[in-house]
Amino acid sequence: SQQGEEDPQALSIQEGENATMNCSYKTSINNLQWYRQNSGRGLVHLILIRSNEREKHSGRLRVTLDTSKKSSSLLITASRAADTASYFCATDASSNTGKLIFGQGTTLQVKP
Amino acid sequence: GAVVSQHPSRVICKSGTSVKIECRSLDFQATTMFWYRQFPKKSLMLMATSNEGSKATYEQGVEKDKFLINHASLTLSTLTVTSAHPEDSSFYICSAKTAYLSTDTQYFGPGTRLTVL
Repeated sequence: SQQGEEDPQALSIQEGENATMNCSYKTSINNLQWYRQNSGRGLVHLILIRSNEREKHSGRLRVTLDTSKKSSSLLITASRAADTASYFCATDASSNTGKLIFGQGTTLQVKP
Repeated sequence: GAVVSQHPSRVICKSGTSVKIECRSLDFQATTMFWYRQFPKKSLMLMATSNEGSKATYEQGVEKDKFLINHASLTLSTLTVTSAHPEDSSFYICSAKTAYLSTDTQYFGPGTRLTVL
């Protein structure tokens, strides 16, 4: 079952602008991960944030996690045309199995 | 490092035939592998979890006799779609993780596009 909901479903911005995507989930989690998927391709792991962390950075990516609201956000700063892709959040609710439940995804288009 | 491959990348088959998809971890031992299914413009749906040497654990609603999963070694898991029908057409993606590294990261394969005529 999909427990993650992401908004917006689609986002179109100009190169250089920032892009913010949000993810909400329903159950307690061990960690939350963000992935990128280019059209017709596999997933690329972007960043993992644990339940006891509130913010994490990686290059132009900034992820926040609010466990009280069961939500996370992914910010891509100074976007590039190459950032055009679908972005998914995935929650790991179990420390044993590592099962990931994916959100519905946000399709980001960055116009040059 | 941490590369996962899938073979084939694309397959077209006739209705009623069986198709085998391989998922390999190339440079690490995958103690756990996961199989996902993705419909066009949709999210990934977890089908099953397989641990090396044991039976796969299927998610609710996934027919285990329809989607046979074998994880015979620490670097290979296979998904066989038996008696495939057009509704089985989809993008199948595997992922792998290892218990030998202190990481919760899963590494995803590039996916296999299955088209059943």
